[in-house]
Amino acid sequence: GPKVLQIPSHQIIDMGQMVTLNCDPVSNHLYFYWYKQILGQQMEFLVNFYNGKVMEKSKLFKDQFSVERPDGSYFTLKIQPTALEDSAVYFCASSRGTDQNTLYFGAGTRLSVL
Amino acid sequence: GDSVTQTEGLVTLTEGLPVMLNCTYQTIYSNPFLFWYVQHLNESPRLLLKSFTDNKRTEHQGFHATLHKSSSSFHLQKSSAQLSDSALYYCALMNYNQGKLIFGQGTKLSIKP
Repeated sequence: GPKVLQIPSHQIIDMGQMVTLNCDPVSNHLYFYWYKQILGQQMEFLVNFYNGKVMEKSKLFKDQFSVERPDGSYFTLKIQPTALEDSAVYFCASSRGTDQNTLYFGAGTRLSVL
Repeated sequence: GDSVTQTEGLVTLTEGLPVMLNCTYQTIYSNPFLFWYVQHLNESPRLLLKSFTDNKRTEHQGFHATLHKSSSSFHLQKSSAQLSDSALYYCALMNYNQGKLIFGQGTKLSIKP
């Protein structure tokens, strides 16, 4: 089936540093998402993105978070500065549309903030 | 706001027994679109089933579910569990207005020999 690629699979950084998580969505998809999953807990919606803009974001999407997809390249999640509570697995997803369309998820990036 | 509830955090079964994972939802929209995703250890969530048709059974890979709007439920069932079914199962609801998929808490299914 369609593949969403996430790079890197694991990132370890010191608290206060900046980190960028990269996502290569399915090629003909137009909607992009980030979800956060703390170990042993449920998937939590962070943000969705369409046509170069954030459409919806949750309260977990703090001011230190930003997303972009410059010129059809990677869809990125940037955290600056990072905090200990940002440690989690971040899943990227994409879909063709929002109406009755399936979200396809990447394998996730495990972020460890020390 | 919209929400999804999965009452069981962990379900442990012996191989060969039937599986039923509960899912109920709340939404103001009259045409909800429900999903079941399965997540094996260290893998990404993968779509298992989806439905937006009331009272119609949908099946895939031996699993089935029926959306019942009258009870706001979308329970996942399988007649006979296999060891390979051990995984985390998420029920999810699509919120069209906000364009996001809302997940339940997840149910860990553990199948024993």
